[in-house]
Amino acid sequence: GAVVSQHPSWVICKSGTSVKIECRSLDFQATTMFWYRQFPKQSLMLMATSNEGSKATYEQGVEKDKFLINHASLTLSTLTVTSAHPEDSSFYICSAMTQIQETQYFGPGTRLLVL
Amino acid sequence: QKEVEQNSGPLSVPEGAIASLNCTYSDRGSQSFFWYRQYSGKSPELIMFIYSNGDKEDGRFTAQLNKASQYVSLLIRDSQPSDSATYLCAVTNSGGSNYKLTFGKGTLLTVNP
Repeated sequence: GAVVSQHPSWVICKSGTSVKIECRSLDFQATTMFWYRQFPKQSLMLMATSNEGSKATYEQGVEKDKFLINHASLTLSTLTVTSAHPEDSSFYICSAMTQIQETQYFGPGTRLLVL
Repeated sequence: QKEVEQNSGPLSVPEGAIASLNCTYSDRGSQSFFWYRQYSGKSPELIMFIYSNGDKEDGRFTAQLNKASQYVSLLIRDSQPSDSATYLCAVTNSGGSNYKLTFGKGTLLTVNP
């Protein structure tokens, strides 16, 4: 149980384009999902907290207009990187929290490379 | 600022030995504590969580929590080469909702055959 999927696993795009990443909880309902970014040899950095049916809460320093988050259902949250630039290249990981255990389970991550 | 500190390692142990990973946290009000394992190039995988002072065992893994000392540890018995990974300690923040996690930078464990 507690399986989280992400799609795509890899994406390469040109500078200036937008990229959408999907995060799904496959066998449980997640009222809260989290989006992280991880640069090489660094720990996870929380970008935003996504609650179903409401606006995401962004961490300080994260541009909400650049990183659009939509949590439209109890099993799906999306992150759209708008007008991506090479410095946005990173490993983006989502997690979904189970209500019972209040524990975050991570998706497999999406590697974004912006050329 | 709420912080979680881990020795970055690398921690190197021989196969079959006990690996001991340590973590301290600054937020005295933290309620929940997690250990995640992250293989190179992969996302974190939950190993254990612990809420109460004392020990919690799950197979070869034992988590230990001491809230008075603001210290949490993970013991891995009979270490295997497949345990070689970065181990992340994570702590929920006190106050508010949403159960945000603060992560340590991780300890790189290498188990030598």
